[in-house]
This record gives sequence, structure tokens and C-alpha cells, in this order.
Amino acid sequence: DAKTTQPTSMDCAEGRAANLPCNHSTISGNEYVYWYRQIHSQGPQYIIHGLKNNETNEMASLIITEDRKSSTLILPHATLRDTAVYYCIVRGPPGNTDKLIFGTGTRLQVFP
Amino acid sequence: DTAVSQTPKYLVTQMGNDKSIKCEQNLGHDTMYWYKQDSKKFLKIMFSYNNKELIINETVPNRFSPKSPDKAHLNLHINSLELGDSAVYFCASSSFSGAYEQYFGPGTRLTVT
Repeated sequence: DAKTTQPTSMDCAEGRAANLPCNHSTISGNEYVYWYRQIHSQGPQYIIHGLKNNETNEMASLIITEDRKSSTLILPHATLRDTAVYYCIVRGPPGNTDKLIFGTGTRLQVFP
Repeated sequence: DTAVSQTPKYLVTQMGNDKSIKCEQNLGHDTMYWYKQDSKKFLKIMFSYNNKELIINETVPNRFSPKSPDKAHLNLHINSLELGDSAVYFCASSSFSGAYEQYFGPGTRLTVT
């Protein structure tokens, strides 16, 4: 079973920041938070991952609370192409053979 | 160039038939995976191979048999197809087992009638 809880759906206006929350209150000390997204009819796409520090890449930023029980994925300037289902996944560190366990995710709808 | 490719993209077949789905990755990755996404959109791992060796085998019926002829290919053969096998099957690869990023293929939509 997924170790995360996410809202079922969210809306965001194009050009605005999309903030997608995730609760992972049972996360272990060595577990990472990963984010993937799945655009309609396509395979999932990796976005970002982090352990405890905030992370940023060309796609998004990941903010992890100090107690690590929740995190927020931020798409700084959402576009229509960001409409997708976003999955927050808790998993062991890279190199661990733990599988990715996808939950139900958050369906983000970006509107014009 | 497509990093992870699957064939066919669509597959419609009757119950009881045997079918195969092929997957190839040109990323030089050591690990490949098969996932199943059912009609409710739940995405679950089925198998993973690392350098042609099976390392993850979820609770999948014996009718499903993955085969990895080399580390760039991971095929999925399904015997005696059932209605419940209808789903989208995704292949994925990663540079090593447990790598943080998995690259997914475009999926194969299997419909069993």
C-alpha cells in the first residue's frame, strides 16, 4: 500500500504556481520522497526527489517539512501541459531495491 | 530517438489466446520493469529485471512470464488471456536497481474480449 496521502484533485490557473501537498506521516529516517506525474495516456515521468532538504530542478521545487511528515511539490508557472496526475511516493534511498508504489495521486487541472 | 519503446501500442485479442508485448530501451540501463495500470488507473509493478536477472516478482499469475534476452530488452508473454488482463502495460528502465529515476515507455493497451 502507498505510504502517502494526496488530495484527489486540484485546479490551477495557467501561469500561476501549482502547490501540490502530500502527507507521509509514517516516513522512515532513510526514506526519500519522490514525485512522478502521468500525463493522459502516457507513461509516468519522474519529476524530483528529496530526503530532507528542499530541492529544485528545471521542472519543479520540492519543499519538505522539518519533521518530514509532509511535503509540497511546486510548479512555479503552471502551463496547460502540466495537466496530469501527480504521484507522491515514499521509497528507500537510491540503490535500495524497493519498488515504486504508486497511490491514487492528485489530478491537477491547469485552466487558461 | 525513443528511450523506452514498446510494441504493439494497442493489442486486441480474445480470451484464451497467448500474446506477447515487447520492450526495448536504448539508454544503456541495467534494470527494466513491467507495470500494469488497470481500468481504475492504479499503477502496480509486476516484475523487474537487473542485468537479465529477475529481482522483483509481485503476486502475478503464472500466466505472465517475463523474458529478458539481453539487458536492453524485456518482453512480457501472457498465456490464456482473461478479461481481467485488460489494462495498459508499461515498461520502464533505470540505470540500476533502485535508481531514483525510472524511464517509462508509452504503454501497451491490451483489450481482451
